[in-house]
Amino acid sequence: DAGVIQSPRHEVTEMGQEVTLRCKLISGHNSLFWYRQTMMRGLELLIYFNNNVPIDDSGMPEDRFSAKMPNASFSTLKIQPSEPRDSAVYFCASRSGTINQPQHFGDGTRLSIL
Amino acid sequence: SQQGEEDPQALSIQEGENATMNCSYKTSINNLQWYRQNSGRGLVHLILIRSNEREKHSGRLRVTLDTSKKSSSLLITASRAADTASYFCATGYNTDKLIFGTGTRLQVFP
Repeated sequence: DAGVIQSPRHEVTEMGQEVTLRCKLISGHNSLFWYRQTMMRGLELLIYFNNNVPIDDSGMPEDRFSAKMPNASFSTLKIQPSEPRDSAVYFCASRSGTINQPQHFGDGTRLSIL
Repeated sequence: SQQGEEDPQALSIQEGENATMNCSYKTSINNLQWYRQNSGRGLVHLILIRSNEREKHSGRLRVTLDTSKKSSSLLITASRAADTASYFCATGYNTDKLIFGTGTRLQVFP
């Protein structure tokens, strides 16, 4: 079975540009999590969805960040406008069932804002 | 701030030796999970231990949980070069959110 698929794997862009990161969930999974990983702050949860509904976006840094789930198998994380401090590796993870189930991570998007 | 703190931050051993990593957390938990991350890849789930469990095994992995001390340990027996990775603990309590620790970087030399 295919795992969580993220695209692009790498993105380099100039500050001020809009960045869109994409995530395809594992079929049948109903929860979707977006994380950001940096050396300084480690792995941080940005936002998560259950059944396509955003449940907790308290980790989203500021209004420049937005996330959507247009359908049950796909999500986007958008940064507009981007800033150099947004440079990080962004992961999405999906999960089926309840809190006692593991999360399945994609291989991430390495984002560099120049 | 992150809830979990792994100890040590880095560990270097020879193949065949055992590796032990520790995780401490601050609040109540429903479960504690261990994940592995290879360089340039996403996290891979290794094992989940519920708050009412004290020990769990999976292959060469052994996890213990002491809720009175708010700590867990991950033991990898007979380590292999392929075990080289970063290892993270993560906890959750009455929420879908997982709080990840800072990780232990394990290097296994052939």
